[in-house]
Amino acid sequence: QLQLQESGPGLVKPSETLSLTCTVSGGSISSSIYYWGWIRQPPGKGLEWIGSIYYSGGTYNNPSLKSRVTISVDTSKNQFSLKLSSVTAADTAVYHCARRASSSGYAFDIWGQGTMVTVSS
Amino acid sequence: DIQMTQSPSSVSASVGDRVTITCRASQGINNWLAWYQQKPGKAPKLLIYATSSLQSGVPSRFSGSGSGTDFTLTITSLQPEDFATYYCQQASSFPRTFGLGTKLEIK
Repeated sequence: QLQLQESGPGLVKPSETLSLTCTVSGGSISSSIYYWGWIRQPPGKGLEWIGSIYYSGGTYNNPSLKSRVTISVDTSKNQFSLKLSSVTAADTAVYHCARRASSSGYAFDIWGQGTMVTVSS
Repeated sequence: DIQMTQSPSSVSASVGDRVTITCRASQGINNWLAWYQQKPGKAPKLLIYATSSLQSGVPSRFSGSGSGTDFTLTITSLQPEDFATYYCQQASSFPRTFGLGTKLEIK
């Protein structure tokens, strides 16, 4: 079945750029009925949607993160990626990638296990 | 942004009990409301989508209802594996937003 796996550095210095990749296995990222998203969860806190991307490259980002977010897709590798610039300690969180399906009411029906990213010098 | 307000923030219950969690949206969301269950150290799991549709593989003791701005998740006959944190999420407009969560604890 479809699986998502996040990868990337677990430690990022303040003011630098956080970069994560989500690899999709067991299915194609190029399906027309899915969007692919990033959601994060600071330690002990709730969930925050970061943004979503379509296989053709169209994106929706959370305005609360202003222009710091870039989400991209590489269909040849069946991957999509997140870049978050100018990070601070407030960006310390578990970062999940997930699939959004129109067949599931536009909810996130499949999630990666998440990867912890700590922002610290 | 649409604000999602969940209540209660925590609830204690016993195995076999019935529990109801409420989620209120700051504006109408056309029933595009989802519920997730999250256990410590794990990713959220989709339980209910579009207010009342049960995700494949989810036990029928979970149900969702509501309309407009007020929604509920009901768990009948609580099982030990149901003790977790539950989140609602609106899928009506961007940015997607989540409630702050309801922690369901064993009494």
